[in-house]
Amino acid sequence: EAQVTQNPRYLITVTGKKLTVTCSQNMNHEYMSWYRQDPGLGLRQIYYSMNVEVTDKGDVPEGYKVSRKEKRNFPLILESPSPNQTSLYFCASYRLAGSPYEQYFGPGTRLTVT
Amino acid sequence: KQEVTQIPAALSVPEGENLVLNCSFTDSAIYNLQWFRQDPGKGLTSLLLIQSSQREQTSGRLNASLDKSSGRSTLYIAASQPGDSATYLCAVRPKEYGNKLVFGAGTILRVKS
Repeated sequence: EAQVTQNPRYLITVTGKKLTVTCSQNMNHEYMSWYRQDPGLGLRQIYYSMNVEVTDKGDVPEGYKVSRKEKRNFPLILESPSPNQTSLYFCASYRLAGSPYEQYFGPGTRLTVT
Repeated sequence: KQEVTQIPAALSVPEGENLVLNCSFTDSAIYNLQWFRQDPGKGLTSLLLIQSSQREQTSGRLNASLDKSSGRSTLYIAASQPGDSATYLCAVRPKEYGNKLVFGAGTILRVKS
């Protein structure tokens, strides 16, 4: 089954404790991206990657890091989480070459930073 | 800067009604428009994707139209059911920066049985 998976699905942590949210897709997609969803602000892109070792900032990259060492994986790293990073996080992927460029989303990770 | 607006913000209808959700965007230079469904606490499920060269797409009881020149899209749901209750999100992929989707705030739909 074609899918994007994220782990963990729920996470409660404390300010300053480094954490990683994993994302993996099994569709051999070149493009992967991270979004956060906040009430009243909708979904906003954090970082994206066009292929292995190619990453770039989205609209709200502050406080986050990413890496793309393998095509299927795109982890999101919070080096020193703060309460304003409490949010619902989504990973997405799609194929760059050829239509229809439909984006597939993971199930989401709900992060609470206290 | 591309902006996406969805009207209404919330909608409550009795079961069986046909309904229309609206989406508007400010810049017509897009690759495609995608409608998603989001259930509470869950991820996004893609419903329909319309390429910029297309006028509409259909899937079961769902029909989405696109008028790129006027910056509008509608999602038509026929014979609504309680299971259709969810938040519906509209997103465009702008040509200016095609590496992301720009989302609307969503329409919260409740279908009463």
